[in-house]
Parts: sequence; C-alpha cells; structure tokens
Amino acid sequence: GAVVSQHPSRVICKSGTSVKIECRSLDFQATTMFWYRQFPKQSLMLMATSNEGSKATYEQGVEKDKFLINHASLTLSTLTVTSAHPEDSSFYICSARGAFEQFFGPGTRLTVL
Amino acid sequence: AQKITQTQPGMFVQEKEAVTLDCTYDTSDQSYGLFWYKQPSSGEMIFLIYQGSYDEQNATEGRYSLNFQKARKSANLVISASQLGDSAMYFCAMRHSTLTDKLIFGTGTRLQVFP
Repeated sequence: GAVVSQHPSRVICKSGTSVKIECRSLDFQATTMFWYRQFPKQSLMLMATSNEGSKATYEQGVEKDKFLINHASLTLSTLTVTSAHPEDSSFYICSARGAFEQFFGPGTRLTVL
Repeated sequence: AQKITQTQPGMFVQEKEAVTLDCTYDTSDQSYGLFWYKQPSSGEMIFLIYQGSYDEQNATEGRYSLNFQKARKSANLVISASQLGDSAMYFCAMRHSTLTDKLIFGTGTRLQVFP
C-alpha cells in the first residue's frame, strides 16, 4: 500500500524554539494532507487540512499562527510549531488520502522542555 | 454534527477467540465512509477495514470483518481468532461526506489479548 513518511520521528526542544515536521507521500501524489494531534491515551484530533498550492484549513480552536502549515508540492507538507511551549508536547501525525482510505505517517513525538 | 462513539474503553480476549469492538456513529449525510484503524504502542496508525454507506455487503479483510447495521448506525469490528499481536488501541473513524476527506475519530478501545 501507499506509504507516508514523517521526519523527525522524535524531537526534543527548548521552550520558545520553533520545530518543523515534514510529511511526505512516497509513492503517490497527495493534493490534500491532514495533520492530527494526539495526547497520551487520547484519540486523534484533526488540526488542519493541508491543500497543495493554497492555504491550509484549520479546525476550530487551532491557532493558525502557532501551527504553520505549508504544502508546497504534491508530495510534501510541513507543520511548523512556532515558539513551542511545554503544552505543545504531543504526538503529531500526518495523513494523506489514497483511493478511499487515509494513509498515516508514523508520527512525530514532540517534547518541549 | 457528526460523531463517533466507542463505549468500550478496554476489552480483554483470550487468544484464538473472537472479539467484537463496538462503534456507533451519528450523521445526517447519506454518503459516508467508516474505517477501523489499529494503533500499536509504536504509535503508527494501521488501516484495517473500510465500509461505504452504500455498500450492501459487510466488509471483510482477512480476520477482520465489519458488522455494518445502517439503521442502527453501528459499525462494529469483529476480530476472529485473536492473536497476541492484536493487542493495541483500535479506533473507529468516519469520513462524513464525499465533499471532504476529513476523518472523525472515536475515543478508541484498548484491546488486550491474553494467552
């Protein structure tokens, strides 16, 4: 099946720094990708829909200036957590749609000290 | 509003037995898709099975089958012949129309398979 990769898999950073997470569709083109956030022992919460060549669509309550999304090509979307704080520590997962299902990346665990 | 409900926070099953994980949904759309994903401790989301709202047959994929009861708005996952490697979190999700690809997830069920 289709493969979606994420980089890095883990990142630890100091409070106040910005962190960029990459999501790539490896063997198919994805005009739309999605970014989810998952807190420990909780479900996935959709943060935003990333559209190639246009602005991302953010879910209610998600700060667009805090979580910058860029979808510059059909195979790459990036999520930048700006001025990260400890409450931003979470598991971030991206996905891209296949024929009918969504393929998920392996996730990025962000820890902000 | 669309909503997915998984009422079983945890389930136990003995190896080689079958287990049913419950999922109910709420939508006013006629066209929607229902999914089940497995999330092991590594965190990756593994696609298991899909059911379209217009599919008349229940979906099956190997040991996984989806018991789709449209009138009751339920989409339960049945795992037959459970294996120790089936221990994981299981999420039911819905894509609520063809106009958007967004998935809405339930709260998940933690399945533990014991020998």
